[in-house]
Amino acid sequence: NAGVTQTPKFRVLKTGQSMTLLCAQDMNHEYMYWYRQDPGMGLRLIHYSVGEGTTAKGEVPDGYNVSRLKKQNFLLGLESAAPSQTSVYFCASNLQGAETQYFGPGTRLLVL
Amino acid sequence: AQKITQTQPGMFVQEKEAVTLDCTYDTSDPSYGLFWYKQPSSGEMIFLIYQGSYDQQNATEGRYSLNFQKARKSANLVISASQLGDSAMYFCAMRGSGGSYIPTFGRGTSLIVHP
Repeated sequence: NAGVTQTPKFRVLKTGQSMTLLCAQDMNHEYMYWYRQDPGMGLRLIHYSVGEGTTAKGEVPDGYNVSRLKKQNFLLGLESAAPSQTSVYFCASNLQGAETQYFGPGTRLLVL
Repeated sequence: AQKITQTQPGMFVQEKEAVTLDCTYDTSDPSYGLFWYKQPSSGEMIFLIYQGSYDQQNATEGRYSLNFQKARKSANLVISASQLGDSAMYFCAMRGSGGSYIPTFGRGTSLIVHP
């Protein structure tokens, strides 16, 4: 039982490049989330999903897209990376109605 | 809309002393949950404690307790007998009701425990 895993752990991009962050969970959780964490800002929700094939926007969705083709995976895409997207990205998941979320270890992204 | 406010950007405490980290919230949901997470320097998010809005008693988990004052809309975290390993960022969060589970996080409080 690996919990929530994120790939990659660290990435450097040039402005305008694209990339996909992968989140995988093996706990059969319905809900999955992508957050970004910036200094002094806490965690801000980018997008979330309440089930396979469904996604919704969070607080800061601009510049990101997501897909949930399989229940266990939640992908976060950056089509044209910008320096403002330099951040630490966390994926999380939980069962519907559960008391707590399970977090992945984070992905550190640097956009030059 | 939900809002979480943590007014203490940084806190210092002596080892073995107790410390209270403040959290106030705002929501129009009649039913909600409040959480605290710890983020050490290694970066992972660690769940500490949960309080439901209808729970009659304050939640406790080992050295952690949540001082829930519903009328004041506060959910302060109390850490008793602080240890050096408690040095970390602490985040307060809440989720509302309404069929979804979309948490809102505060900006965090940095706790440093001095020997």
